[in-house]
This record gives sequence, structure tokens and C-alpha cells, in this order.
Amino acid sequence: GAVVSQHPSWVICKSGTSVKIECRSLDFQATTMFWYRQFPKQSLMLMATSNEGSKATYEQGVEKDKFLINHASLTLSTLTVTSAHPEDSSFYICSSSEGTGQPYEQYFGPGTRLTVT
Amino acid sequence: AQSVTQLDSHVSVSEGTPVLLRCNYSSSYSPSLFWYVQHPNKGLQLLLKYTSAATLVKGINGFEAEFKKSETSFHLTKPSAHMSDAAEYFCVVSEGDKLIFGTGTRLQVFP
Repeated sequence: GAVVSQHPSWVICKSGTSVKIECRSLDFQATTMFWYRQFPKQSLMLMATSNEGSKATYEQGVEKDKFLINHASLTLSTLTVTSAHPEDSSFYICSSSEGTGQPYEQYFGPGTRLTVT
Repeated sequence: AQSVTQLDSHVSVSEGTPVLLRCNYSSSYSPSLFWYVQHPNKGLQLLLKYTSAATLVKGINGFEAEFKKSETSFHLTKPSAHMSDAAEYFCVVSEGDKLIFGTGTRLQVFP
């Protein structure tokens, strides 16, 4: 199957700083990328959907000015958590797809664990 | 809105015994349903998917699931558990381009 990588796999940052997470599709062109957030022992919640070269579409309740998403190429999307606070500590997972809807499958990255102190 | 409910947060089985992970869905129309597995430090992996073809869907690693419209269920089964099956399993329904995840079931396999 297709491979999606995330970097870093874990990061610790101080409150008030910003942190960038990268998501790369290694062996296919990802027209669409998705960003999820997973709290401990909870499900994945979709944060936003991004298409290459256009602005991301954020889910209700997700602050677009806090979670900046850039999808500048068909293989790379970045999520920047700005002015991070302890409540932003979570597991962030990206997925990539060659298109939208059926039959395109989402391929998931291994996730990035963010801890804000 | 579509949703899925995973009835068990935690399931424990002995190696070699059957596995049953339960999932019920709520949908106003014929849904696309999926089961994903999440191993520690690895990306979510698609086990199988139902997209209105055969109601019994066979997936990877010996897993299968049956779509039962009358019961609004999509339970995941495997005849014989292996130690390597220990992981978190998510039942998922698609809503357009989006995936709606259940709360997950942690499967433990004892030797």
C-alpha cells in the first residue's frame, strides 16, 4: 500500500511557541490530505481537509488561525500549531488520498505526538 | 449525520480463539463502512471496506465483516486470534469525502 510519513513523530514545546508538523506521501501524488486529532483513548476527529494549491477546509469548531495548514505540493502538507497551549497536547494524524470520494482510499501517517508544557 | 458506535471499548481473547468486535451504524442512506487497525507507532491500516456490493466482506489478515442492514451492524470477526492482532480497531463510516470514526476497541490477545 501507499506510504505516508510524518515528521516529527513526537515533539515537546513550551506554551506560546509554534510547532510545525509535516506530512508526506512518499510514493503517490496526494491530491487531498486530511488532518486528524486523537485524544488519549478517544477516536480520531477530522480537523481539516486540504487540496493541493488551495485553502484548507476546516471542520466546525477548529480554529483556522491556530491550526495553519499548507498543502503546497502533491506530496507535502504541513500543520502548524500556533501559540500552542497545554490543551493542544494531542496526537495529530494526517492522511493522504489520490482523489476525493470513492474509490479513493485514505492512507494514514503514523502520527505525531505533541506535548505542550 | 452518519455515525458509528463501537459497543466494546476493550475485548480480550486467548490466542487461537475467535474474535468479535461489534459496530453499529446510523445512516440515512446506504453507507460505506470500513474497519481500520492502529498498531502502536504505525499508521492506521485499512482492514476491509463495504461499499454496497457483497454483504460479507473479506479483509486482510483473516478478518471479515458482515453488513446487516436489518440490524444496522457491521461486526468484525476472525476465526482464530493471533498475538499480532493485538491493536486498536476502529469502525468507520464515510460521509462524502470524510471519514467518521468510532471510539475504537482495544483488542488484547493472551497466549
